[in-house]
Amino acid sequence: EDQVTQSPEALRLQEGESSSLNCSYTVSGLRGLFWYRQDPGKGPEFLFTLYSAGEEKEKERLKATLTKKESFLHITAPKPEDSATYLCAVQARGAQKLVFGQGTRLTINP
Amino acid sequence: EAGVVQSPRYKIIEKKQPVAFWCNPISGHNTLYWYRQNLGQGPELLIRYENEEAVDDSQLPKDRFSAERLKGVDSTLKIQPAELGDSAVYLCASSRPGTANTGELFFGEGSRLTVL
Repeated sequence: EDQVTQSPEALRLQEGESSSLNCSYTVSGLRGLFWYRQDPGKGPEFLFTLYSAGEEKEKERLKATLTKKESFLHITAPKPEDSATYLCAVQARGAQKLVFGQGTRLTINP
Repeated sequence: EAGVVQSPRYKIIEKKQPVAFWCNPISGHNTLYWYRQNLGQGPELLIRYENEEAVDDSQLPKDRFSAERLKGVDSTLKIQPAELGDSAVYLCASSRPGTANTGELFFGEGSRLTVL
């Protein structure tokens, strides 16, 4: 069964303090790995798609990377508006369904 | 472009009562999804539609849950009767044709259900 585990569950940083969020996955052949951002009371918002090990994607202060077993979401010099829950999901080859992790709740203090 | 619209945003009901949620996807998006998100967890797929056809309903508890997507646009998700464990946020999402492998889903704000 496809599984996604995210760590840590919660992370509190000071503004400007860089860090990384982890997404470990087991899947029967990876088609794609996806990162979403979810603000309180809102639906998830798509950020990135990664397809193969070694691939990287960037958007503003966020950079996502992928290996054969895990993905990292690096956040550089974060601002309070980066506070949100970040969700990771995988899609197996031959499947349409996305399997989500439980998310990492990120808080950036000013 | 208008986003995915869901209603109601909040619903509180007694157990054993029925409840229905409505979703209007983004115009032109042929694929529609219903997800359930429990507190502190990621979304879990309940059902996926391609146009008006339910192509994946393997995770839908069919004894009490039903869904329909008439004319391949709006969709309704119904629970009857509701149980305490059904308390969750029900999220509707849609995606553009040909983007099934990109993971780019557009989610609504969700309908938060509380069953007392």
